[in-house]
Formats: sequence, structure tokens, C-alpha cells
Amino acid sequence: KQEVTQIPAALSVPEGENLVLNCSFTDSAIYNLQWFRQDPGKGLTSLLLIQSSQREQTSGRLNASLDKSSGRSTLYIAASQPGDSATYLCAVRIQGAQKLVFGQGTRLTINP
Amino acid sequence: DAGITQSPRHKVTETGTPVTLRCHQTENHRYMYWYRQDPGHGLRLIHYSYGVKDTDKGEVSDGYSVSRSKTEDFLLTLESATSSQTSVYFCAISGRVSVTNEQFFGPGTRLTVL
Repeated sequence: KQEVTQIPAALSVPEGENLVLNCSFTDSAIYNLQWFRQDPGKGLTSLLLIQSSQREQTSGRLNASLDKSSGRSTLYIAASQPGDSATYLCAVRIQGAQKLVFGQGTRLTINP
Repeated sequence: DAGITQSPRHKVTETGTPVTLRCHQTENHRYMYWYRQDPGHGLRLIHYSYGVKDTDKGEVSDGYSVSRSKTEDFLLTLESATSSQTSVYFCAISGRVSVTNEQFFGPGTRLTVL
């Protein structure tokens, strides 16, 4: 059974810092991995999707990497801003299935 | 904005009553999903649809049924609501870009069962 873990559960950093969020998964047979952002009381916003054949994807200040063999992905946020404060979720899509398996998320707070 | 709406956005109901949640998309995605989000459990798949009238169960499907009679609408029904079904329900869509099948989420419905 695929399990997805995100550590730490919460992170607080001062504005301007570069930071890394971690995601690990137990079964390397994934189709892709997606990073989401969720603001309090809101839905999920898709940030980046990495196919299993890719090593990384970039969007603006965000960079996501994937190491399938070790079961790890990282989300790098450059020059953090207070507006980046949110919960960040990673999810893997299992090969041969449509379902996403989610981690519990990392609640990020950027202090001005 | 991926063109997904959910209705109602908030609902309070009593144990034993039937409840139907609606998801509507304007993006012509093939797949539609219902998830629930609970503290300590994260997001879990309830049911999903891979076409009109084609549905399949997720990991927490007991007590729920779904229907999809049109591409754009996916309904989630709680036949007889229980307090354990108090949750935030999210609809998601995917499949317009078949290579990635990136999932996009709606704004959620907060359901309270008293």
C-alpha cells in the first residue's frame, strides 16, 4: 500500500529565506507526483506536476524535484514571501490507477 | 481557475437524512473525483468517474453513492448521513491533458451532520 509522508508537519521561517519542503513515498511505482497549495478554508491549487520520467519541474520561484528510486520529492521555494504562507501537500498517482495518494501536508508560515 | 464549482458550499443536516452534493465542471475533463478531507487523515478518495455512467470506488466509499449522467456533473449522495461523515468534501477533475492527467480541485463543501 502506497504511503506518503511529509516532514515537518509545520515550518515557520522569516521572509526572504529559501526553503525546502520534503515528501517521501513508499512505493516507487508511481505515474507522477503533484504538489498542491491549500489556503485555510479553500480548495487545493495545483503548483507543479512531475512525471515519473522527469527529475524536476520549475514554475517561477518554485522548483520541484523527484528521485523515484529513493522515494523522495522536494519542493524548493526561493525568496519566500508572506503570501507563500499556506499548507503544501504532495500527492502521488499510482501506476495503473487514477487515484492520488496524499501526504498530510506541511503548514508553512512566512514571518514578515 | 479550472472551471469547477461545488454546491452547496456549506450544509448542516441531521443524522439519517439523505444529502446530495453537486460538482459541475466547464472544462470537458474526462475524469471526476470526490475526496473527503479530515484532520489526521488528510485527503481520501471516495469515488471517481471515468466517463458518463462509468464510476468506481475509492478507499472510503462505504455510505456513499455517486452518479454521472452528463460529462459536466458528478453527484455524491449520502444515503443516510451519519456524524462520521462530517467533513470537507472536494471534487476534482482531470484528463483533458491525457499525458499528465493533472488533477484540479474545486472549492470544497463543508458538511456538518448533527
